[in-house]
Amino acid sequence: GQNIDQPTEMTATEGAIVQINCTYQTSGFNGLFWYQQHAGEAPTFLSYNVLDGLEEKGRFSSFLSRSKGYSYLLLKELQMKDSASYLCVGLMFSGGYNKLIFGAGTRLAVHP
Amino acid sequence: DADVTQTPRNRITKTGKRIMLECSQTKGHDRMYWYRQDPGLGLRLIYYSFDVKDINKGEISDGYSVSRQAQAKFSLSLESAIPNQTALYFCATSDPGGGGEGETQYFGPGTRLLVL
Repeated sequence: GQNIDQPTEMTATEGAIVQINCTYQTSGFNGLFWYQQHAGEAPTFLSYNVLDGLEEKGRFSSFLSRSKGYSYLLLKELQMKDSASYLCVGLMFSGGYNKLIFGAGTRLAVHP
Repeated sequence: DADVTQTPRNRITKTGKRIMLECSQTKGHDRMYWYRQDPGLGLRLIYYSFDVKDINKGEISDGYSVSRQAQAKFSLSLESAIPNQTALYFCATSDPGGGGEGETQYFGPGTRLLVL
């Protein structure tokens, strides 16, 4: 199987730090994306990891452990505009090509 | 101007009607995709096309058909709409020539479809 598991909802306070975890099944794994999706809008690319370790991009960082089938997205200095769903997306090689397998998303609510 | 556009943005139709959702892109990407999104579920792939002559079924293609009229245009049709096809539909494009991160997909704004 190619399940992507992440929490359904999280809440956090403006200015704080939040970590959104994701686990995936490793068969055919070729990389891990995080997308942000505001309600009713298109998903937009945040990050991509293929090697173990932490990738930092401003307030957002993404971590990957291939051996554990685990990733997290770290959001620092939270702002109200960060309220959105965060999609953990596996890049899996299957059927002769790479395809994206989407988690259901973690809905993050940032409150004052 | 948006790189990936979808029309219509919202559509209400009745059971049994045939409808078409359209997607256009100015990114020059060869690969295009159609997904649906339902509450509590991840995006699910309906159809994908790697170039104008290459169209493939995704995981949930039953009840849908597609047409790749040109590199820039990829249309999704519901031949006879049913209520459980009520969903948010997204078109996406990619150009994976650059390796892993090149598999990044770029999404249109979505079409919200309600089938009564």
